[in-house]
Amino acid sequence: AQTVTQSQPEMSVQEAETVTLSCTYDTSESDYYLFWYKQPPSRQMILVIRQEAYKQQNATENRFSVNFQKAAKSFSLKISDSQLGDAAMYFCAYRSTGTASKLTFGTGTRLQVTL
Amino acid sequence: KAGVTQTPRYLIKTRGQQVTLSCSPISGHRSVSWYQQTPGQGLQFLFEYFSETQRNKGNFPGRFSGRQFSNSRSEMNVSTLELGDSALYLCASSGGGYGTEAFFGQGTRLTVV
Repeated sequence: AQTVTQSQPEMSVQEAETVTLSCTYDTSESDYYLFWYKQPPSRQMILVIRQEAYKQQNATENRFSVNFQKAAKSFSLKISDSQLGDAAMYFCAYRSTGTASKLTFGTGTRLQVTL
Repeated sequence: KAGVTQTPRYLIKTRGQQVTLSCSPISGHRSVSWYQQTPGQGLQFLFEYFSETQRNKGNFPGRFSGRQFSNSRSEMNVSTLELGDSALYLCASSGGGYGTEAFFGQGTRLTVV
């Protein structure tokens, strides 16, 4: 079974600084997708960034970028120029392809942004 | 484009009762998935429906069931509620491809007393 591990329950970053959230996963599949979702206090999960495993190039979305290391099964999220609105729970998620495909989430990292 | 709508937002039920939660996906989306979120267990997959057929199911007892209608709206039913069923239930819709973005609703907060 696939598992997703986020080893940092909480992180803190100062406004305008950069922070990296860690995520590792375990799978025997070669084709899959990885996601970072953000859940603010409003509870609505929002997709931050997505990575296809077959693409070597790391995905970027404005201030958000990932460091995808397929061999190491690592998928970290870097947030640059942090803003107060970035404060939220961040979940790393994995999804394989095929009939048993489902989103498997990590336990989340709570990010605080301070002035 | 309207987002994913879950109703009701909050629900209080008594142990032993049953409950039905509703999810209206984004127009054109054929896949609807359900997740249970608790502080102890985190986010756990319940099931996914695609074009009215259950495509995948998580590891939950048979008290948890769901269905999807021809307009892609989905309902989730929990029978014989237990205290441990208290959770935030999230619904997500997508176009159906495994790598496509899942859009989440704001969830239904179920409290079982």
